[in-house]
Amino acid sequence: AQSVTQLGSHVSVSEGALVLLRCNYSSSVPPYLFWYVQYPNQGLQLLLKYTSAATLVKGINGFEAEFKKSETSFHLTKPSAHMSDAAEYFCAVTHAGNNRKLIWGLGTSLAVNP
Amino acid sequence: NAGVTQTPKFRILKIGQSMTLQCTQDMNHNYMYWYRQDPGMGLKLIYYSVGAGITDKGEVPNGYNVSRSTTEDFPLRLELAAPSQTSVYFCASSWTSGKDTQYFGPGTRLTVL
Repeated sequence: AQSVTQLGSHVSVSEGALVLLRCNYSSSVPPYLFWYVQYPNQGLQLLLKYTSAATLVKGINGFEAEFKKSETSFHLTKPSAHMSDAAEYFCAVTHAGNNRKLIWGLGTSLAVNP
Repeated sequence: NAGVTQTPKFRILKIGQSMTLQCTQDMNHNYMYWYRQDPGMGLKLIYYSVGAGITDKGEVPNGYNVSRSTTEDFPLRLELAAPSQTSVYFCASSWTSGKDTQYFGPGTRLTVL
């Protein structure tokens, strides 16, 4: 069975600091991995996704994530946080075999302090 | 394109009442999903559909029903509302399978008192 673990339900960084949001997955087959972002009082939108091409994936708003099979991780990073990055971030996984549904992490709330 | 639209945005129900949450997408997507989001609990899949006339249960289907008579519409029906159904409900759609990007509506905030 597949699962996703997001380490840290709340992360706080200073404006201009590195953002690192952690996601570890469990999958017995090659996974497809996603990061979605939810701004306050809005629906979710895709930040980036890994679908077995390049292991370093670049997304919107300066975010990127690296697929590391040996560590079963897909951590999200941004070199310099901006106030507008304050949001809820969700990691999700599926796979090529039975991929009708995504398996979602519980989310990480990112606060950016001035 | 309006994308995924949901109505209403907010609703307060009394225990035992029923209602339908509307969801429409104009992207000709085959897959549609209903999620509920509770604080600290992430997203829970209620029902999904892989095409008109085809629906299937997700993780938390009890107390809900869906139908998919057209590609565009995927209403969610709550029968006999209970306080445990107080939540924010999101509809989403994707072109084909789960590996495709899901596009979300703005959500419906439902309170059952």
